[in-house]
Amino acid sequence: EDKVVQSPLSLVVHEGDTVTLNCSYEVTNFRSLLWYKQEKKAPTFLFMLTSSGIEKKSGRLSSILDKKELFSILNITATQTGDSAVYLCAVEGGNEKLTFGTGTRLTIIP
Amino acid sequence: DAGITQSPRHKVTETGTPVTLRCHQTENHRYMYWYRQDPGHGLRLIHYSYGVKDTDKGEVSDGYSVSRSKTEDFLLTLESATSSQTSVYFCAISELGGPYEQYFGPGTRLTVT
Repeated sequence: EDKVVQSPLSLVVHEGDTVTLNCSYEVTNFRSLLWYKQEKKAPTFLFMLTSSGIEKKSGRLSSILDKKELFSILNITATQTGDSAVYLCAVEGGNEKLTFGTGTRLTIIP
Repeated sequence: DAGITQSPRHKVTETGTPVTLRCHQTENHRYMYWYRQDPGHGLRLIHYSYGVKDTDKGEVSDGYSVSRSKTEDFLLTLESATSSQTSVYFCAISELGGPYEQYFGPGTRLTVT
């Protein structure tokens, strides 16, 4: 059974801080790892990673995948109150289905 | 929520009644999914479809059935709703098979009393 574990479960930081969110996984026939941001509505897609060591960037957000150690990190620099959300990690295995972690709840204090 | 709608957005129903949730897309994507989201469990796949009349089960399919008679619509039916099916239900779509990204609809909050 595929498994995704995210840590920490929740995180509270001050505006301007840098945060690192973790995602470890166990999956049969790994194909991709995806990050989503969920505010009080539907998850929105952030990144998809398929290869180790290639950092994906979008503004202040970046993510990297380590397929040998089976984890990914999501970094957010210079955090803003609009970054407050639940961040979800998901992996796709050989069955073309996504398995999600339970998420990290990030709260940014002004 | 690019081209994905769900109806109803909120529903309260009684135990034992049938319930149907609808997902409609305008993106002409081949793959469609139904998830439920509960505290402490994250998003869990109920059923998915890889084409018209082609569906398969996810990890929490018991008590649910689906149908897809045309590309744009994917229906989720609770044959006899139970309180354990109180949840937020999300539909998602994807253009291709893996690796891919899925795009989510706005969700339906279902309460079974």
